[in-house]
Amino acid sequence: DQQVKQNSPSLSVQEGRISILNCDYTNSMFDYFLWYKKYPAEGPTFLISISSIKDKNEDGRFTVFLNKSAKHLSLHIVPSQPGDSAVYFCAASNRGGGADGLTFGKGTHLIIQP
Amino acid sequence: EAGVAQSPRYKIIEKRQSVAFWCNPISGHATLYWYQQILGQGPKLLIQFQNNGVVDDSQLPKDRFSAERLKGVDSTLKIQPAKLEDSAVYLCASSSSRDTGELFFGEGSRLTVL
Repeated sequence: DQQVKQNSPSLSVQEGRISILNCDYTNSMFDYFLWYKKYPAEGPTFLISISSIKDKNEDGRFTVFLNKSAKHLSLHIVPSQPGDSAVYFCAASNRGGGADGLTFGKGTHLIIQP
Repeated sequence: EAGVAQSPRYKIIEKRQSVAFWCNPISGHATLYWYQQILGQGPKLLIQFQNNGVVDDSQLPKDRFSAERLKGVDSTLKIQPAKLEDSAVYLCASSSSRDTGELFFGEGSRLTVL
């Protein structure tokens, strides 16, 4: 039973355009959501997060949107740069329930084309 | 600030052999996690420690996997005996407090079981 779903295994975007990565979740107890970025042979690195009490969080070129009623979140990268090419993981936790461990999606491989 | 350290980076063993992975978290981080990432999947939580106590080990295959965090600092994950399906990257992560929710990952230990 996959509680966090990233239905696009890969996404190709032209440099300078907007990249939109999507994530759906099924567990209504999740109250904290994060995006991680991973390069080959490295561990995932934290990118941006959002609490369930918000619907948007922005950090530079990265914005995460949360739609609780649809159990959907998305990561927007504007403008996309070559260094953004990586695998992006959506993750969620039930912090209010004392469960800090993250549940991850399968990831989306973002490819930025010059 | 030094990151999460893991060793070995790579390990090749035959099925039914045993293997151990070591993790040293970021100094001062009370919470430590072990994740298993199978190729093409997102990381899956195996076990979570708070200091030297286990918070969540519900997804740890306890018949063959064991983990300990003596003295509440570094941790060891052991697999005995290994199976072919244990081939994966084993990621260690740590976090400092529940206020941020961010986990810091090491580079991982890649296990190949032949």
